[in-house]
Amino acid sequence: GENVEQHPSTLSVQEGDSAVIKCTYSDSASNYFPWYKQELGKGPQLIIDIRSNVGEKKDQRIAVTLNKTAKHFSLHITETQPEDSAVYFCAASKTGNTPLVFGKGTRLSVIA
Amino acid sequence: GAVVSQHPSRVICKSGTSVKIECRSLDFQATTMFWYRQFPKQSLMLMATSNEGSKATYEQGVEKDKFLINHASLTLSTLTVTSAHPEDSSFYICSARGSGSNQPQHFGDGTRLSIL
Repeated sequence: GENVEQHPSTLSVQEGDSAVIKCTYSDSASNYFPWYKQELGKGPQLIIDIRSNVGEKKDQRIAVTLNKTAKHFSLHITETQPEDSAVYFCAASKTGNTPLVFGKGTRLSVIA
Repeated sequence: GAVVSQHPSRVICKSGTSVKIECRSLDFQATTMFWYRQFPKQSLMLMATSNEGSKATYEQGVEKDKFLINHASLTLSTLTVTSAHPEDSSFYICSARGSGSNQPQHFGDGTRLSIL
């Protein structure tokens, strides 16, 4: 089955700097890659997603890139702010009703 | 945006009690709902997948008689933890996905279950 690896497990950046989180997946049939932000005591919130027919997607300060050949995708957050501090999860799945397979998460701390 | 409501947000009860958690999709029809369990500082562990009107599909190692899942309508799924014990204490999170291809998965805010 699918296996998703996520790095780093923790990341500290200065406010205003960029943060990059990387994930790799094992199943070449996976074609949907969402990113979730989870704040303490809350459920994960979808922040951006990308499908395998696209190499890059951007939404304001957040961007995701996908390299299908290498089977890896990355989350980029620019101009980080303290409110970006949270745990971020990447995930992968195939189309249809197959469940998401999650990475182990990255705890991002943005230091003011 | 799509909203998934989960209730209650926190439950504290005695060992042996059965606890029901509700998950509702508020502004879309959820043909598929998922139930996860999350331990502190860990990732989400999928417990089961339920499609409206069908029996849930449980992941390996999850006791279906312990964790009863009902998905009777396109907007509501329930998870009942039967005869809960302290080891069942955890953060339970539901998610829902709409019909059609390419629909994203949206999560509720979770239920913190504490069994004394």
